[in-house]
Amino acid sequence: GDSVTQMEGPVTLSEEAFLTINCTYTATGYPSLFWYVQYPGEGLQLLLKATKADDKGSNKGFEATYRKETTSFHLEKGSVQVSDSAVYFCALSNNAGNNRKLIWGLGTSLAVNP
Amino acid sequence: GAGVSQSPRYKVAKRGQDVALRCDPISGHVSLFWYQQALGQGPEFLTYFQNEAQLDKSGLPSDRFFAERPEGSVSTLKIQRTQQEDSAVYLCASSTLLAGGSYNEQFFGPGTRLTVL
Repeated sequence: GDSVTQMEGPVTLSEEAFLTINCTYTATGYPSLFWYVQYPGEGLQLLLKATKADDKGSNKGFEATYRKETTSFHLEKGSVQVSDSAVYFCALSNNAGNNRKLIWGLGTSLAVNP
Repeated sequence: GAGVSQSPRYKVAKRGQDVALRCDPISGHVSLFWYQQALGQGPEFLTYFQNEAQLDKSGLPSDRFFAERPEGSVSTLKIQRTQQEDSAVYLCASSTLLAGGSYNEQFFGPGTRLTVL
């Protein structure tokens, strides 16, 4: 079945450091790919998405490119801030049918120190 | 407008008790999803509704879990005879429905944290 694998955390960085969180997937067909973020004490929020190969999703300085050849969707940010401290989830939705349920990775906790 | 709301936010149950968790989706959202998130894990799909129709319940872990959405808006997830392994955060999400291959963002509620003692 479909699955998502993302790098284990926790990840601890200093402010302004470069961030990469790796995500790879296994899926039939052509899934849509997502990064969700969960800030402390808050619910899950969509951070960015890509719906087809070579698409780049971006938001709040974060980017991820849908790479079909490597089945990857790595999250990157050039300069992290303390406010980016959160748990990041990679997820996919298989576009078959109307049930666009999300298949999730385990989440990667990021702590950014000043 | 209002987002997805869930109640209660926290629920403590004794093993064997029945619990009911409520989800109020965004008004007009046709699709509604329930997910279970154990501590330190990613969410796991439980069930999906399109309006009042439960189109997929393949993720429900046992017949103790039951979900309904009788009028196509509010949904209730019921767990009978709760067990310790049911302790988790239960997330509800809603989205609009588009034809074809389009993806519609799922908007999540804050979750209900269930602790079974």
